[in-house]
Amino acid sequence: EVQLVQSGAEVKKPGESLKISCKGSGYSFTSYWIGWVRQMPGKGLEWMGIIYPGDSDTRYSPSFQGQVTISADKSISTAYLQWSSLKASDTAMYYCAIGSSSDYFDYWGQGTLVTVSS
Amino acid sequence: QSALTQPASVSGSPGQSITISCTGTSSDVGGYNYVSWYQQHPGKAPKLMIYDVSNRPSGVSNRFSGSKSGNTASLTISGLQAEDEADYYCSSYTSSSTLVFGTGTKVTVL
Repeated sequence: EVQLVQSGAEVKKPGESLKISCKGSGYSFTSYWIGWVRQMPGKGLEWMGIIYPGDSDTRYSPSFQGQVTISADKSISTAYLQWSSLKASDTAMYYCAIGSSSDYFDYWGQGTLVTVSS
Repeated sequence: QSALTQPASVSGSPGQSITISCTGTSSDVGGYNYVSWYQQHPGKAPKLMIYDVSNRPSGVSNRFSGSKSGNTASLTISGLQAEDEADYYCSSYTSSSTLVFGTGTKVTVL
């Protein structure tokens, strides 16, 4: 059974750094693209970026390029999304998802709620 | 890249058919047969309903179908049921080798 288990909810202050995770199991971690999707409160889905753990090919949405870093550790089947300096506008639910192709997501994690507030 | 354009809401009575449109440009929807559709119930993660314009993943009801004409893709739900009430998002591959989501459509079953 494919499972994507994301790290727990975070409450941070503006300017702090953060790294959230997504652990995959039940499939070949290096053979699927892993992406991150943002959903701000009451809003729609936004595609942030994607990584192919097999060769670390990483692509970012222009809206998120330079704002976040996507990475993956093949040895522990885990992908990461990180910020170096959070803003209040980063408050959102963040989903990881995997796809056998880079153009869609077959499976989704349960989401990680990030709250940034002073 | 701008979000693909979807109607904010669509409604229908049980048993009816509804269609949700998803309009992009020749750099995304019109340029590739890589449009997918997702269903999201409140407080839940999205679920893939259609991929590559018209393919259904295993386990998805055949009441859901997808198509594309030019720069506009469509999702049709036939035999509308109460459980279909949810938000629906389209997504397309783009000329920048990235993906872009649609603005989302709230489906209401009357």
